[in-house]
Amino acid sequence: AQTVTQSQPEMSVQEAETVTLSCTYDTSESDYYLFWYKQPPSRQMILVIRQEAYKQQNATENRFSVNFQKAAKSFSLKISDSQLGDAAMYFCAYRPGTQGGSEKLVFGKGMKLTVNP
Amino acid sequence: GAGVSQSPSNKVTEKGKDVELRCDPISGHTALYWYRQSLGQGLEFLIYFQGNSAPDKSGLPSDRFSAERTGGSVSTLTIQRTQQEDSAVYLCASSLVTFNYGYTFGSGTRLTVV
Repeated sequence: AQTVTQSQPEMSVQEAETVTLSCTYDTSESDYYLFWYKQPPSRQMILVIRQEAYKQQNATENRFSVNFQKAAKSFSLKISDSQLGDAAMYFCAYRPGTQGGSEKLVFGKGMKLTVNP
Repeated sequence: GAGVSQSPSNKVTEKGKDVELRCDPISGHTALYWYRQSLGQGLEFLIYFQGNSAPDKSGLPSDRFSAERTGGSVSTLTIQRTQQEDSAVYLCASSLVTFNYGYTFGSGTRLTVV
């Protein structure tokens, strides 16, 4: 079974600085998708960024980028120019590709990010 | 609708009572998922509906939990004879059936069993 591990339960960053959130996963599949979700106090999970495993190029969405290391099964999220609104829980998630037989997202336990003014 | 809608937003119930949680997915999304988020934990998969296929119930923790999806749209998660360990946030999500999409989540129902 696939597993997703977020080893750092909490991190903090100064406003305008850069922070990197780590995530590792375990799978025997070669085709899959990886996601980072943000959960603010409103509880709604918001998709931040996604990465297709078959793409070598790292995904980027404005201030958010990933470092996808397929061989190492690592998928870290970098937040540049951190803003107060970035403070939230962040969850890494894995979804099998078309051969995986399941569309379920598998989530890590999450990490709380605090942004200090 | 524009987003995934869940109701109620918060629910307090007495131990032993039954509760129903409702999810209204995004129009056109054929896949619907229920997850449970306990305090300080990640998201635990409960059940998954895809079109007219039989639901994947592999995540339901006991036979006190059940869910249905009527007309391929609205879903109801029912918890019978609630226990204190059922206290959690129940999140619903829907998605298009394309694997590179993530889900769109609702804001969840916070269930407190007293």
